[in-house]
Amino acid sequence: DVKVTQSSRYLVKRTGEKVFLECVQDMDHENMFWYRQDPGLGLRLIYFSYDVKMKEKGDIPEGYSVSREKKERFSLILESASTNQTSMYLCASSGTHRYEQYFGPGTRLTVT
Amino acid sequence: SQQGEEDPQALSIQEGENATMNCSYKTSINNLQWYRQNSGRGLVHLILIRSNEREKHSGRLRVTLDTSKKSSSLLITASRAADTASYFCATAFLFSGGYNKLIFGAGTRLAVHP
Repeated sequence: DVKVTQSSRYLVKRTGEKVFLECVQDMDHENMFWYRQDPGLGLRLIYFSYDVKMKEKGDIPEGYSVSREKKERFSLILESASTNQTSMYLCASSGTHRYEQYFGPGTRLTVT
Repeated sequence: SQQGEEDPQALSIQEGENATMNCSYKTSINNLQWYRQNSGRGLVHLILIRSNEREKHSGRLRVTLDTSKKSSSLLITASRAADTASYFCATAFLFSGGYNKLIFGAGTRLAVHP
């Protein structure tokens, strides 16, 4: 059974803190993605990675960075959290030439 | 910018009825996918239809794609209370490296009442 796990379901951080969100997949997928989901806006792509140490900006990369040191792990970093980064963050993975994405349960981040 | 836009935003029906959700998009696509999200959870892939297909079935799900109108519909037949969820369409663009980028719409919230 395919599995994508995220390090936390709920997270509360203060403005200015550095925040790490971790995602791990056990399907040996090449591609991994980070989205944020806000009411009425659907999912928006922040960053994605198609190979270890490779990363590409998505539609809303500002204020975020990512790291992929191992194939199974993709981290999203908020260098200095701000209140407008309060959101649900979803990680996903997919195999090369496979188009469906598998999602983790999400991390609901609140920045106060 | 959002590529896919679902219609309606919300749908409320009784168990046993059919539910139809529509999705419109703006540019050419490689494929279109539908996902379900139960409240506060991650998304689950339901079905994928390629740009050269017109209709696809999976269990109680039927998806159509009209590339000339840039629209798709998802039909859930004989709905159940367990179908209560948000449904998202996602349009897929293929890159040369074999990965694809999905652009999601804002979703349709479906409520199925017993």
